[in-house]
Amino acid sequence: AQTVTQSQPEMSVQEAETVTLSCTYDTSESDYYLFWYKQPPSRQMILVIRQEAYKQQNATENRFSVNFQKAAKSFSLKISDSQLGDAAMYFCAYRSPYGGATNKLIFGTGTLLAVQP
Amino acid sequence: EAQVTQNPRYLITVTGKKLTVTCSQNMNHEYMSWYRQDPGLGLRQIYYSMNVEVTDKGDVPEGYKVSRKEKRNFPLILESPSPNQTSLYFCASSQNGQGGWGYTFGSGTRLTVV
Repeated sequence: AQTVTQSQPEMSVQEAETVTLSCTYDTSESDYYLFWYKQPPSRQMILVIRQEAYKQQNATENRFSVNFQKAAKSFSLKISDSQLGDAAMYFCAYRSPYGGATNKLIFGTGTLLAVQP
Repeated sequence: EAQVTQNPRYLITVTGKKLTVTCSQNMNHEYMSWYRQDPGLGLRQIYYSMNVEVTDKGDVPEGYKVSRKEKRNFPLILESPSPNQTSLYFCASSQNGQGGWGYTFGSGTRLTVV
């Protein structure tokens, strides 16, 4: 069974600085998808970025980018030029590509990011 | 607007009093799922449904029921709630089949069982 591990329960960053959130996963599958979700105090789950395992190029969305290391099974999220609105819980998630009963998103335990002004 | 509508947003109930949390999506998604979120545990899947009348257990199904009579609706039923079911609940929907679609989530239901 696949597992996702986020080893940093809490992180803090100064406004305008860069922070990296860590995520590792375990799987025997060669194809899969990885996600980062943001959960602000409003509780809404917001998709930040998505990575396809068969693509070597790291995904990027504006100030958010990932460092995907397939061999190491590592999927870290880098937030550049941090803003106060980035303060939130961040969840890393894994999904098999095959659909059906394997459609499940498997989540890590989350990292709570504080942004200091 | 494409969305998952989940109600209520907050709910306080007493042990043993049956309750239903509703979930509806307007994206014609086949796959729907319920998760609970607890501190230090992340989100864990309770039940999922791959289509109308097709449901199955997730990782933590004990104490919950679901039904899928229509494609758009997927209610979560707690027949006899207990305090250990105090949690934040999310409904989500997605395309089914091969591919790496993310989920669209509802806005969450904060349930407290006293």
